[in-house]
Order: sequence, then structure tokens, then C-alpha cells
Amino acid sequence: EAGVTQFPSHSVIEKGQTVTLRCDPISGHDNLYWYRRVMGKEIKFLLHFVKESKQDESGMPNNRFLAERTGGTYSTLKVQPAELEDSGVYFCASSDLVYNEQFFGPGTRLTVL
Amino acid sequence: SQQGEEDPQALSIQEGENATMNCSYKTSINNLQWYRQNSGRGLVHLILIRSNEREKHSGRLRVTLDTSKKSSSLLITASRAADTASYFCATCVAFDSGGGADGLTFGKGTHLIIQP
Repeated sequence: EAGVTQFPSHSVIEKGQTVTLRCDPISGHDNLYWYRRVMGKEIKFLLHFVKESKQDESGMPNNRFLAERTGGTYSTLKVQPAELEDSGVYFCASSDLVYNEQFFGPGTRLTVL
Repeated sequence: SQQGEEDPQALSIQEGENATMNCSYKTSINNLQWYRQNSGRGLVHLILIRSNEREKHSGRLRVTLDTSKKSSSLLITASRAADTASYFCATCVAFDSGGGADGLTFGKGTHLIIQP
């Protein structure tokens, strides 16, 4: 069974540009989460989807971040416009509604110059 | 203040020895999960322990949970060089109205080094 996949693995952009990160959860997992780890800090929760609905987006830093999960399958996280402090590793995780073990993808390393 | 906090921050032991890492948290939880991260790679799920459980085993891993002390420990027995990694505990506080579990709150991790 395929795990959580994320694309791209790395992204280097300039301040002010737009970047879109993609996450494909484990098939059948209704819960999808986005997390971020900036240099030297803990992994922080950003938001949570149950199927296509945003259940909790309390961790989103500001309105430059937009997450979608159309159709309840894959999700995208768009940063527009990107700022220097957005640099970090963005992780996606998914879980089912029964066991709730969250399985993480390999992450996307975002560098904003 | 962070929810999960691992102790120690770094641990270096000889191959074959046991490694124990601790995690403390502040609020009531639904479950606690341990993860491993090898250098530059993603997080690997190790074990989930629920608030009504006190101990779980998985291979060479043993996790305990003491909700009265708001603490958990991860024991790796007979350590191997391949166990060298960072280990994180993450707490899930509650389930939301939609049925899905809340996002996890992570600590900063314990960096474990196994010396050959």
C-alpha cells in the first residue's frame, strides 16, 4: 500500500512568488493534515480536513496560505505571496477515522529567497 | 508553551544498550503518538497509545503512559546503529465534531545516537 506522498520534494522560490504544494494521502483516509517545521522549531499543526471539509484551520499563519481538498482526495497548500519566514519543511499526514494513527509524507522543503 | 516536551534532548549510547526517552505534556489528551525521523527524511509512525492504555509494545519498542503525571516514555531495547534518529512524541488532545482527531502537538524531539 502506498504511503502519503508529497510533491515537490524541494522548492526554491523568490519572495513574492507563489508556490503550490501537493499532498496525496493514503487511499481511504478521510483525515488529512498539514504541518510545518521551520528551522530550529517544533513541528506545528496548520490545518485539518475531514474529507473535503476544513475541520480546523487554527494553525494557519495568515491569509497568504490557502489549502484545498476538492473531492476529498488529494490536497494542495498554496502560499501567495511567499515571504522569507515561510521557509521550512511542510509535512502532510493522513489517518482514517477509526485508528487515528497519523502517517506522514516525506515533506516538501520550501526555501524562500 | 509547548504541549509535548521530550527529555533528554540528546542521548548517546552503545549498540546493544537500551535507550529510554521521556515525554511530558500539559493538557489532557486522547492519545499520544511516537515518531522517528532519520536525518533529512520524513516522520515514521512508531506507536500510538490511547489515554486509557498504560503500556504498549511493538517489537523492540515499549511505550508507557502515565496520565496522572502527564508523561510517556519510549524504551528501545537492544539498540542498533539503525536506531540513530530523532524521536518525537506528539499528543492528540481531542476529537472534533466531524469525527476526525485534532492535529497533533509535537515536542522538539530527542536526538538518539547509537555508537557501534
